[in-house]
Amino acid sequence: DAGVIQSPRHEVTEMGQEVTLRCKPISGHDYLFWYRQTMMRGLELLIYFNNNVPIDDSGMPEDRFSAKMPNASFSTLKIQPSEPRDSAVYFCASSRQGGPNQPQHFGDGTRLSIL
Amino acid sequence: AQSVTQLGSHVSVSEGALVLLRCNYSSSVPPYLFWYVQYPNQGLQLLLKYTTGATLVKGINGFEAEFKKSETSFHLTKPSAHMSDAAEYFCAVSFGGATNKLIFGTGTLLAVQP
Repeated sequence: DAGVIQSPRHEVTEMGQEVTLRCKPISGHDYLFWYRQTMMRGLELLIYFNNNVPIDDSGMPEDRFSAKMPNASFSTLKIQPSEPRDSAVYFCASSRQGGPNQPQHFGDGTRLSIL
Repeated sequence: AQSVTQLGSHVSVSEGALVLLRCNYSSSVPPYLFWYVQYPNQGLQLLLKYTTGATLVKGINGFEAEFKKSETSFHLTKPSAHMSDAAEYFCAVSFGGATNKLIFGTGTLLAVQP
């Protein structure tokens, strides 16, 4: 079975540019999570969706960040405009419906560098 | 509220030695507990999970963890470390309710010395 697929794997761009990160969850999974990982702050949950609906976006750092899930097989995380402090590894994860005993399955991440 | 504390951000062991990574949790509801491993330049992979039933849980790569309610702990162990075990390990607890949201610890970086 294909796992969670993220693209691109690496992104280097200049400050002020728009950045779009993409995620394809595992087929049949109803939950989708976006995380950010940095040395200073560790693993932070940014937002998660259930059945394509955003449930909790309290971790989104500011209005420059937005996430969408137009259908069950695709989600995007957008940063506009980007800043150097947004440099991090961004992970997408998905899990099945069925309660809190369902594990999350992670993609390999997008390593984002803002110059 | 749910929380996870991992004692020791860095642990170093010799190859063949016992691995012990500590995790304590706080939960207002019966917890579901997870250990994940992250190898360099990869996402997190599930090592094992505790939901209900047997308190000693076996996972992949020879790891196991024991749920101790009285100690609110879920420590991860492996009898004999291998070089390939070098990675970062994360403990997580379910947020509670019907959601699949997890609360992650800050991670423990395991180094294995030859």
